[in-house]
Amino acid sequence: EVQLVESGGGLVQPGGSLRLSCAASGFTFSTSAMNWVRQAPGKGLEWVSAISRSGGDTNYIDSVKGRFTISRDNSKNRLYLQMNSLRAEDSAIYYCAGRRPVDYWGQGTLVTVSS
Amino acid sequence: DIVMTQSPDSLAVSLGERATFNCKSSQSVLYSSNNKNYLAWYQQKPGQPPKLLISWASTRESGVPDRFSGSGSGTDFTLTISSLQAEDVAVYYCHQYYFPPFTFGPGTNVDIK
Repeated sequence: EVQLVESGGGLVQPGGSLRLSCAASGFTFSTSAMNWVRQAPGKGLEWVSAISRSGGDTNYIDSVKGRFTISRDNSKNRLYLQMNSLRAEDSAIYYCAGRRPVDYWGQGTLVTVSS
Repeated sequence: DIVMTQSPDSLAVSLGERATFNCKSSQSVLYSSNNKNYLAWYQQKPGQPPKLLISWASTRESGVPDRFSGSGSGTDFTLTISSLQAEDVAVYYCHQYYFPPFTFGPGTNVDIK
């Protein structure tokens, strides 16, 4: 059974940092492109970032470039999202999402940026 | 960036009736080298992550009821539910995975009339 389990969300002040982690199991992680997708409360889906199977190629939406960094550890079957200089508009549920097109989804971790 | 638009924003259909909604991309998501459209449809119910229904514009995922069908090519796509069931109440999103950023449409909210 495919499982993606996110952790690391929480309440952080504007300008602060968080590191999200996603533990993957039930599929061959090292051969799968991975993504982070977010959803603000009551809003639609927003793709945030993607990383290639090897980790050598990464992509971001413009609003997080220079602030967020996606990475992976294929030896541990883990995906990460380092989020710095957080803003109120980054508040959302962050989903770990596997493959392209995405057909594996975690349950999400809530990030709230507020003073 | 490829901008995805969907219409209508919301739709109410009687049980057993057909529901059709549309998605348009600001540029083609058809890759000429393999003649594939990099367009997917997702269903999201409240409190749940999205579920992939259709990939490559028209390929139904395993386990998805055959009342769901996707069509279209290039920049214009359609998702059809041939006979709406109560469990189909959800928000439906189109998504292009042709070129990053891999954008989603704003969604169509489907409800029972």
